[in-house]
Amino acid sequence: DAGVIQSPRHEVTEMGQEVTLRCKPISGHDYLFWYRQTMMRGLELLIYFNNNVPIDDSGMPEDRFSAKMPNASFSTLKIQPSEPRDSAVYFCASSLFGQQETQYFGPGTRLLVL
Amino acid sequence: AQKITQTQPGMFVQEKEAVTLDCTYDTSDPSYGLFWYKQPSSGEMIFLIYQGSYDQQNATEGRYSLNFQKARKSANLVISASQLGDSAMYFCAMREPNTGNQFYFGTGTSLTVIP
Repeated sequence: DAGVIQSPRHEVTEMGQEVTLRCKPISGHDYLFWYRQTMMRGLELLIYFNNNVPIDDSGMPEDRFSAKMPNASFSTLKIQPSEPRDSAVYFCASSLFGQQETQYFGPGTRLLVL
Repeated sequence: AQKITQTQPGMFVQEKEAVTLDCTYDTSDPSYGLFWYKQPSSGEMIFLIYQGSYDQQNATEGRYSLNFQKARKSANLVISASQLGDSAMYFCAMREPNTGNQFYFGTGTSLTVIP
C-alpha cells in the first residue's frame, strides 16, 4: 500500500514567492495533519483536518499560511509570500479515528526560502 | 502546561546495551493513547510502539518496550540490545480522542549508539 505522499520533496524559492506543498493521505484515513519541523522550534502542529474539515488551525503562524483539503485524497499548504524564516521541513501525516490509531507520516518537504 | 515532556535532549548508549528514554505526559482524560516515533538522520518519522491508557500490560514490539506507569503519568521507551541503527531522534506523543484527536509531541531525545 502506498503511504502518505508529499510533493515536492525539496523546494528552493526566493523570498516573496508563493509556495504550495501537496499531500495525498493514505486512502481511507479521515484525519490529516500538517507539521513543521525546525531545529529551533522542533515539531509543530500547524493545522489538522477531519473528514476534509479544518478542526484546529491555531498552529498556523500567520495569515501568510493557508491550508485546504478539497477532498479526502488531497491537501495543500500554501505560503504566500514566503520568508526566509519559513525554511523548514514540512510533514503531512494521516490517521484513522481512535486513540489507538497512529499517524503515518509522509517523507516531508524540505523548504528553503532564500 | 506541556502535554508531553521529554527531559533528555541527548543520550548515549553502548552497543548491545539497553537504554531507557523518558517521557511524562499530562492529561485529565481517562482515554488516551501514547506513541513513540523514531526519526533517523534521513528525516522520516517511523512509528515504533503504542500504549493505550486502559492497557493492563506494557506494550512490546521486538526490541522496543514501553514502561507504562499510569499513576506517575510516565511512558518510558526501553530499547534492548542497542544497535548502531538505533541512533536517531525519538519522539513521544499522546493522542486524546475526546478532545480533538490531535497528537501532542515532546521535544525529542537524540540517541547515539556507541560501537
